[in-house]
Amino acid sequence: DTEVTQTPKHLVMGMTNKKSLKCEQHMGHRAMYWYKQKAKKPPELMFVYSYEKLSINESVPSRFSPECPNSSLLNLHLHALQPEDSALYLCASSQEASGSGGELFFGEGSRLTVL
Amino acid sequence: GENVEQHPSTLSVQEGDSAVIKCTYSDSASNYFPWYKQELGKRPQLIIDIRSNVGEKKDQRIAVTLNKTAKHFSLHITETQPEDSAVYFCAVHLGGTGFQKLVFGTGTRLLVSP
Repeated sequence: DTEVTQTPKHLVMGMTNKKSLKCEQHMGHRAMYWYKQKAKKPPELMFVYSYEKLSINESVPSRFSPECPNSSLLNLHLHALQPEDSALYLCASSQEASGSGGELFFGEGSRLTVL
Repeated sequence: GENVEQHPSTLSVQEGDSAVIKCTYSDSASNYFPWYKQELGKRPQLIIDIRSNVGEKKDQRIAVTLNKTAKHFSLHITETQPEDSAVYFCAVHLGGTGFQKLVFGTGTRLLVSP
């Protein structure tokens, strides 16, 4: 299994809602990532988890709350979002979050619309 | 922080032509340079990568060259086919961070016409 699976594929939420994005991989990867991608823009790193611990938070607003319950799962909890948070949220994994770099395996993304 | 510039932003070629996309970066500690292809509505997928101790790498119709002195690297696609049409992102891994931290270029939309 070389896939990263994300749910839901599409999500529409109001600014007062609480929702969660989920990501799962069964490749035994020990690093997982959240990226945000706006239309016609490159992916932007949000969070990095290495061995289930948060290693990098790219100064993301607290209305985004990541969680890594175990080595296969990654969640992104959303609360009180703004319309400008509408974007494609990509989860990715890699064998390790090493300093030497390596292939990122991306999920298909969750397309979020905030009304 | 790292600054990654990618050119051109769009590239239109005829099927069978070659395509070249170039990226420049600023951090001399960068040590890993992947290229990702993202088809419309799809996930980014790695197509080729190169490490800082190598000058060129080739995989069938795709090649990447790296000039560390000038801090630029390029993607070369030969004998382009319509299925090569996609957005291509270069990326630079920030060395010395201890973690996988990629900075992506702004992307090149490649259109291959039959």
